[in-house]
Amino acid sequence: EADIYQTPRYLVIGTGKKITLECSQTMGHDKMYWYQQDPGMELHLIHYSYGVNSTEKGDLSSESTVSRIRTEHFPLTLESARPSHTSQYLCASSEVHSGETQYFGPGTRLLVL
Amino acid sequence: GDSVTQMEGPVTLSEEAFLTINCTYTATGYPSLFWYVQYPGEGLQLLLKATKADDKGSNKGFEATYRKETTSFHLEKGSVQVSDSAVYFCALRMGSQGNLIFGKGTKLSVKP
Repeated sequence: EADIYQTPRYLVIGTGKKITLECSQTMGHDKMYWYQQDPGMELHLIHYSYGVNSTEKGDLSSESTVSRIRTEHFPLTLESARPSHTSQYLCASSEVHSGETQYFGPGTRLLVL
Repeated sequence: GDSVTQMEGPVTLSEEAFLTINCTYTATGYPSLFWYVQYPGEGLQLLLKATKADDKGSNKGFEATYRKETTSFHLEKGSVQVSDSAVYFCALRMGSQGNLIFGKGTKLSVKP
């Protein structure tokens, strides 16, 4: 069982609000990821990190930002939420060098009104 | 660039039916290949994997064989159960540090 947690699980918020989605893992993994999953189920990598103080943009351009101050924590922030940000956000982690398996959190389902 | 193509769903089967979900890939080298499964309301979890040609990954009655000649990694199960209802993602990774590249997912519904 993966030890990776996301909060909140569900969030309904108004346009223009600032939000932070939390992701934590207790496996000591250096590499962490954020994916956006659209209603058609397709996954898009939006951010990833190789370790503390490392952040990279993924394949899909996103207005969100991330930070990696601690190994176990990889929060995602939207400064001003819009209806187009409505989606499910999945966090994941893996070892850097073996990278064999990514472990996923349960996701945060975001609805922006 | 590298990519994964998997059959579009949804796929609806009766319990105990045979399942095949097709997956083909395009890659410049020799990737590792994965099947992930997403049950309703959950994140993804690794179902099986294969790291080199002719390897067979298997787990929970599911199997997939890495076919270099056809660049394929089709998922099969001989007898599906209602509990197998989920979304299945095929994925590849180049090298030990590359990011996963996912297919678009195939939704499977199994009826009793």
